[in-house]
Parts: sequence; structure tokens; C-alpha cells
Amino acid sequence: DTEVTQTPKHLVMGMTNKKSLKCEQHMGHRAMYWYKQKAKKPPELMFVYSYEKLSINESVPSRFSPECPNSSLLNLHLHALQPEDSALYLCASSGHPSGSNNEQFFGPGTRLTVL
Amino acid sequence: ELKVEQNPLFLSMQEGKNYTIYCNYSTTSDRLYWYRQDPGKSLESLFVLLSNGAVKQEGRLMASLDTKARLSTLHITAAVHDLSATYFCAVDTGRRALTFGSGTRLQVQP
Repeated sequence: DTEVTQTPKHLVMGMTNKKSLKCEQHMGHRAMYWYKQKAKKPPELMFVYSYEKLSINESVPSRFSPECPNSSLLNLHLHALQPEDSALYLCASSGHPSGSNNEQFFGPGTRLTVL
Repeated sequence: ELKVEQNPLFLSMQEGKNYTIYCNYSTTSDRLYWYRQDPGKSLESLFVLLSNGAVKQEGRLMASLDTKARLSTLHITAAVHDLSATYFCAVDTGRRALTFGSGTRLQVQP
């Protein structure tokens, strides 16, 4: 299995809702990432998990809460989001957290709309 | 703060022509990646460049890395319509994180 899967593909939520994005990989990768991408912009790093521990949090607001239940799964819990949080949320994984090759493999993304 | 600059940001070219996309970055790194993104889709890994002088080729695309100049190039040979997409370079500074360039939107006209 050489892919990263994400669910749901699309999500529409109100500002008072709580929802979760899910990401899964079965490539044995030990690093997983969340990125946010707005239209016509590059992906922006949000969080990095290395060996199931949060290693980077790029000053993301607390309304986004990541969770890594095991080495194959990564969740992003959403609560009290704002309309400006509407974006494509991309999950990625890479196989060599301590090696020189950090080639990241991206999932298809979740397109989030906050009303 | 690491800055990664790509140019041009938009490139319209005719089929059969050659062109080069440039990626400059502001801090020392010998790890650079190129990705392709089709509209509404995710990112597809194209090239992994892990040392000074690295050159990789796949089909009509060739990527190279000059770590001394902090420059990578993506050369397109005899463009075809199927290459129309947005191309991103991304630099790894060892934080286990990638910083992406702004992207180059390539449009190949028949």
C-alpha cells in the first residue's frame, strides 16, 4: 500500500460545530504532517508528528487539535472554526524521520468549508 | 526565516517549446523536492534532490540542484498539454518540515 488516505473528502461545518479529519497510511512511515492550503497558495505546515509525538506546532490556533493515536493514523480535531479556516487540509507522511530523505507523500486532502 | 522563491509565478507556453522554472532559497540546505499539483487535487512527488549537483530526469522534466547558489531548476523540454499544472519546489532545512515556494502555474497551449 503506497498511498495516504484522508476522510472525509469534503466537509461543511458551522462555527459552533466539532468535527474531525482523519488520515491513514500503511507505508510504515514514522512521520506524519498536517498542512493547510488556501486557493492559489502553497501548502502551509501546521503540525508534525515524529514517532507518534508532536514535534512541530507552527503556532496554530487552539481550535485545531491534532492527535496521533498510532503510527498509521493522524487526526485533526476542529472546534469553533472561523470562515477564514476554509481551505484544503492535506495530510502527508514520510518514511525517514532521522534520515536525509524527507520526501513526503500527500493524501488527497479534505476540502473544508466553514459557514 | 527560510524564504523560498519561485519564478515565474505563471508561465504560458506553446507545445513543443522549452522553458525553465527557478527556485531560490535563502538558507543552507541540500535537500530539495519538486511537486506537481493539478487543479483541485493533491500534491504528487516529482523529484527528490539530496546533494549538490544532483540531477534527475523523468520524461520531459529535468530537475537540478546547486546548493552553493541555493538554486534549483526544473527544465521542461518540448512541452505538451498534459504538463499543465502548478509546480512547487520545497526545501527541507532539517526540521522534518518542508517550506514550499509560491508555485509556478504552467499552462501549455496547443
